Amino acid sequence: LAKTTQPISMDSYEGQEVNITCSHNNIATNDYITWYQQFPSQGPRFIIQGYKTKVTNEVASLFIPADRKSSTLSLPRVSLSDTAVYYCLVGGYNQGGKLIFGQGTELSVKP
Amino acid sequence: NAGVTQTPKFRILKIGQSMTLQCTQDMNHNYMYWYRQDPGMGLKLIYYSVGAGITDKGEVPNGYNVSRSTTEDFPLRLELAAPSQTSVYFCASRASGSGTGELFFGEGSRLTVL
Repeated sequence: LAKTTQPISMDSYEGQEVNITCSHNNIATNDYITWYQQFPSQGPRFIIQGYKTKVTNEVASLFIPADRKSSTLSLPRVSLSDTAVYYCLVGGYNQGGKLIFGQGTELSVKP
Repeated sequence: NAGVTQTPKFRILKIGQSMTLQCTQDMNHNYMYWYRQDPGMGLKLIYYSVGAGITDKGEVPNGYNVSRSTTEDFPLRLELAAPSQTSVYFCASRASGSGTGELFFGEGSRLTVL
């Protein structure tokens, strides 16, 4: 299983772009990279998933370099409501269904 | 669709009691998971299932049991509850396919063991 490493916490201000990087040095060929957002007292919510290069949706972008040993979640123009814990999850067919979350990054957005 | 439904939402147990946390999904997902989350910590995988009749241990299976007799249901059984099992329990499901797909989580079950 690919082990993931993220910063424990990050601070930002409203309107800024936030980039959260996840390291996954032993990512396997079949593994995808998925990011989740979790608010207090709620289950995590899917944000974005990618395999390589760049993926963009209405809320975030995911940048994956060619060696795929890391990935960066980019949140454009954050607001107070983006204060949450963000998890990077790496997995695929080779794990046989097992999905292990890392420790997550606690993002605090200040006014 | 209701998605992933967990019951109960809250429960207080005495040490040594047993109980079952129920989880049902109506999305016809093959994969189902149980995670626990202690205060201020990340999610730890307890058990998971890749289909009816198939279950496997996660990171922290001790003190728990699961069964998967149908695609929809994945109950988590706590035997001889201990204070260390005080936590929020999340059930999740996802479809088969490439990558990890999107995990859909329930609202959680908050368990306190006194």
